[in-house]
Amino acid sequence: DVKVTQSSRYLVKRTGEKVFLECVQDMDHENMFWYRQDPGLGLRLIYFSYDVKMKEKGDIPEGYSVSREKKERFSLILESASTNQTSMYLCASNSARGTYEQYFGPGTRLTVT
Amino acid sequence: SQQGEEDPQALSIQEGENATMNCSYKTSINNLQWYRQNSGRGLVHLILIRSNEREKHSGRLRVTLDTSKKSSSLLITASRAADTASYFCATAKNFGNEKLTFGTGTRLTIIP
Repeated sequence: DVKVTQSSRYLVKRTGEKVFLECVQDMDHENMFWYRQDPGLGLRLIYFSYDVKMKEKGDIPEGYSVSREKKERFSLILESASTNQTSMYLCASNSARGTYEQYFGPGTRLTVT
Repeated sequence: SQQGEEDPQALSIQEGENATMNCSYKTSINNLQWYRQNSGRGLVHLILIRSNEREKHSGRLRVTLDTSKKSSSLLITASRAADTASYFCATAKNFGNEKLTFGTGTRLTIIP
């Protein structure tokens, strides 16, 4: 059974803290994605990675960075958390070889106070 | 407004009835996908339809695509309480690793 896991379901951080969100997939997928989901706005792509150490900005990269040192792991970093980064964060992955659907993790609900 | 907008935003129907959700998009696409999200969880892929296809079925799901109108619809037949969820359409400009653009979703509630 395919699996995408995220390090935390719920996270509470203070303004200005550095925050790491981890995502791991066990499907040997080349591509990994980070989204944030806010009511009324749907899912918006923050960053995606199509290979180890490769990344590309999505629609809303400001205030975020990413790291992909190993194929199975994709980390989202909030360098200095702000209250407007309170959101649900979703990680996804897919194969670059013919299957186009994305597989999602359960999400991390981050609250920045 | 965003690429991929669902209509209606919310829908409540009785169990056993059919549910229809619509999605409109703005730019040309290579494929369109529908996903389901149960409350507070990740998304689950339901069905994909390519731009050269007009209709596709999977179990109780039927998806149509009209590229001339830049719209798609998702029909769930004989609804069940377990179908209660949010449904999102997502468009892809190209195959493979290309980014998906998600709509804002339709919240479907099935009344037992």
